[in-house]
Amino acid sequence: SYELTQPPSVSVSPGQTATITCSGNKLGDKYACWYQQRPGQSPVLVIYQDNKRPSGIPERFSGSNSGNTATLTISGTQAMDEGDYFCQAWDSTKVVFGGGTKLTVL
Amino acid sequence: QLQLQESGPGLVKPSETLSLTCSVSGGSISSSSYYWGWIRQPPGKGLEWIGNIYYSGSTYYNSSLKSRVTISADTSKNQFSLKLTSVTAADTAVYYCAIYRLGDDFWSGYWDYWGQGTLVTVSS
Repeated sequence: SYELTQPPSVSVSPGQTATITCSGNKLGDKYACWYQQRPGQSPVLVIYQDNKRPSGIPERFSGSNSGNTATLTISGTQAMDEGDYFCQAWDSTKVVFGGGTKLTVL
Repeated sequence: QLQLQESGPGLVKPSETLSLTCSVSGGSISSSSYYWGWIRQPPGKGLEWIGNIYYSGSTYYNSSLKSRVTISADTSKNQFSLKLTSVTAADTAVYYCAIYRLGDDFWSGYWDYWGQGTLVTVSS
């Protein structure tokens, strides 16, 4: 079965750039999405179609997808960006989520 | 703005059927722009897709759950529902209903809005 692999955790200092990766076989041939989940809250879409930001998502969130890796980049990371981040793609007729990455802003 | 609200029992006994309903406001589940779906999250773990339904009734299910899952829609009530049979403790999770907004093609869509989630515990 298709798998998306994310690092369990990423740490970043406030104001620095956080990079979260998502790896899967030929992921670049698929569309990748990213969801932010703050503690105790529902997931929120932050990137769709590899690199598009929904209305209301700050410009510091950006995405890319090529080869086997999709990347979520948060520039000028703020304390409010702490939480879990999940990548997602379709494998044929099945939605696949990555295992999630816990972002800590130290 | 579209809003979703899950409802249903918070406790289900092993081997019984889990039944949840998602009430939609701010839009119609008869819209051709969306699929309507269920996603769950075991405590402290990641997200698992359960399935989607379109207003026409067409469905996609996670193959690992397909034999136990039914998703249906009631356009008159603007609701859609999840039934999961023969539950075990492994089905304990927060269950989210969510809207899958279609893009230029089906696979370019994305989960646009999520309900607040409801915790379902499977225990005797």
